[in-house]
Amino acid sequence: AQSVTQLDSQVPVFEEAPVELRCNYSSSVSVYLFWYVQYPNQGLQLLLKYLSGSTLVKGINGFEAEFNKSQTSFHLRKPSVHISDTAEYFCAAQVGAQKLVFGQGTRLTINP
Amino acid sequence: EAQVTQNPRYLITVTGKKLTVTCSQNMNHEYMSWYRQDPGLGLRQIYYSMNVEVTDKGDVPEGYKVSRKEKRNFPLILESPSPNQTSLYFCASSLSISYEQYFGPGTRLTVT
Repeated sequence: AQSVTQLDSQVPVFEEAPVELRCNYSSSVSVYLFWYVQYPNQGLQLLLKYLSGSTLVKGINGFEAEFNKSQTSFHLRKPSVHISDTAEYFCAAQVGAQKLVFGQGTRLTINP
Repeated sequence: EAQVTQNPRYLITVTGKKLTVTCSQNMNHEYMSWYRQDPGLGLRQIYYSMNVEVTDKGDVPEGYKVSRKEKRNFPLILESPSPNQTSLYFCASSLSISYEQYFGPGTRLTVT
């Protein structure tokens, strides 16, 4: 069974609109959860991570995510997107002591 | 500047011709790993290393080899490449699995 599932392969939104990118994880993974962003023709960089503590995690570039244990979700949100947020976003979870599993990715497209 | 470097960035080769993709990091990180990125599949971990001379299989290790003789270097070896190994490959390093992964710029490999 897929450990990390991103529910949308593509999300188109208009500039300055809010956006939510959905991620669900299986109970077999640890609750160490991450969101990474990949801008065109670049490697990945960390947006935010949840290891413990407050379930609302704030990251770079105005993004935040909420860890929801009962729904096994870790959705990423931004209240107002910009053209520069166009990228592919990956949810990831630590599995066991040393492995990292990524979701399939969500391509965010911002329309002017 | 803290970084992960990969070489080459682009490689076109033929089936069966051995190749090595190099990866080097200058952050004194103990954890390093290799991923392949394919459309619709996200990133899948090939191999990882927790320290010098300590390596282990990820989710898709078949057809690949790695070595970790020095802390900073983690080369990926394809002894006999096949067309199904055509992909975008990323090397990453971090202090440990629970910390931010720093990704290299990627190596786009085509096997004909």
